[in-house]
Amino acid sequence: QVQLQESGPGLVRPSGTLSLTCGVSGGSISISDWWSWVRQPPGKGLEWIGEISQSGSTNYNPSLKSRVHMSVDRSKNQFSLELYSVTAADTAIYYCASFPFGEWGRGTLVTVSS
Amino acid sequence: DIVMTQSPLSLPVTPGEPASISCRSSQSLLHRNGYNYLHWYLQKPGQSPHLLIYFGSNRASGVPDRFSGSGSGTDFTLKISRVEAEDVGVYYCMEALQTYTFGQGTKLEIK
Repeated sequence: QVQLQESGPGLVRPSGTLSLTCGVSGGSISISDWWSWVRQPPGKGLEWIGEISQSGSTNYNPSLKSRVHMSVDRSKNQFSLELYSVTAADTAIYYCASFPFGEWGRGTLVTVSS
Repeated sequence: DIVMTQSPLSLPVTPGEPASISCRSSQSLLHRNGYNYLHWYLQKPGQSPHLLIYFGSNRASGVPDRFSGSGSGTDFTLKISRVEAEDVGVYYCMEALQTYTFGQGTKLEIK
């Protein structure tokens, strides 16, 4: 069974860049056509950020599209998220997932604060 | 943009009793291929969400048969025939026709 693990800084300064990586273990990243990032502000609901295919094609949430970049590294069996010009509103638990039908990571809390 | 509206937002239920959650979308989620692009997720306390029901009415692997999904177009329902203590958590519907948009979530708690 594939397992996902998010990693990256837990604290990002306002106006900075949030960078996270999702490591895929227990199987090849090629096992899924698409890999997604979803976030959840503390105590609130879920928001899909975007997805990337194993070949590098992307689809982003229109509300975040101007600030998001995703990439995939098949040699390392991982994919990544960058979110630019962050504010306190970007504070959330960030999940990576084989979406919408597969596994989710445990999530990592990223706080935007000076 | 598609807007997803769930009700109720809070659902206290006595164990053994049934429960029902409504999800409405601002646009039809019925694809020309005949599938409703509507999925249900459960997020148990302290856990990541996991898939319960896909394409409106199909139970995901390992999901107990007390869970069922129904509906088409813009109106969908998730039903639990007999609530158990382990069913506590927040239930989300999500459209998968346009971008992926979640409902606000329905928090099920045990009375």
